[in-house]
Amino acid sequence: DAGVIQSPRHEVTEMGQEVTLRCKPISGHNSLFWYRQTMMRGLELLIYFNNNVPIDDSGMPEDRFSAKMPNASFSTLKIQPSEPRDSAVYFCASTLGSTDTQYFGPGTRLTVL
Amino acid sequence: AQTVTQSQPEMSVQEAETVTLSCTYDTSESDYYLFWYKQPPSRQMILVIRQEAYKQQNATENRFSVNFQKAAKSFSLKISDSQLGDAAMYFCAYFPYGGATNKLIFGTGTLLAVQP
Repeated sequence: DAGVIQSPRHEVTEMGQEVTLRCKPISGHNSLFWYRQTMMRGLELLIYFNNNVPIDDSGMPEDRFSAKMPNASFSTLKIQPSEPRDSAVYFCASTLGSTDTQYFGPGTRLTVL
Repeated sequence: AQTVTQSQPEMSVQEAETVTLSCTYDTSESDYYLFWYKQPPSRQMILVIRQEAYKQQNATENRFSVNFQKAAKSFSLKISDSQLGDAAMYFCAYFPYGGATNKLIFGTGTLLAVQP
């Protein structure tokens, strides 16, 4: 069975540009999580969805960040406009049941110049 | 606030030897899960082992085992017969079962080097 799939694996963009990160959770999983990993702040939860509905977005840093989950097999995290301080590795994770073990995707390394 | 502390930023072990990584956490909850994740240079976060707080028996997965001390809020990871492929960053994580938010709280990680 395929794990969590994220695309792109690497993204380099210029400040002010829109960035869209994509995630396909494990088939059958009904909860999806977006994390950001930086040297300064470590791993932090940005937002999570349960049955496609956003449950907790308190970790979203500011209005420049938005996330959607239009169906059970796809989610996006959008940054508009991007800034250099958004440079990080962004992980998507999914679970079967929101309290179960989270399985992570390979991450997207974002660099904003 | 719930916190997870990994006091060893770096550790080193000889191949085939045993190493223990430390983790402590702070919580007022009685029911929760604890995890160890491994992050190799590929940066993929890989689940190593999971422990439910209500279980007294320590979890074991092949060469990986934990020492869970609930009263002391301690959750260490023991890696036996270390292999070169075990070299990675290891993160301890806490998850409150039935909490208001389903948030994995991570420690700062321990970078493990395995010497041949």
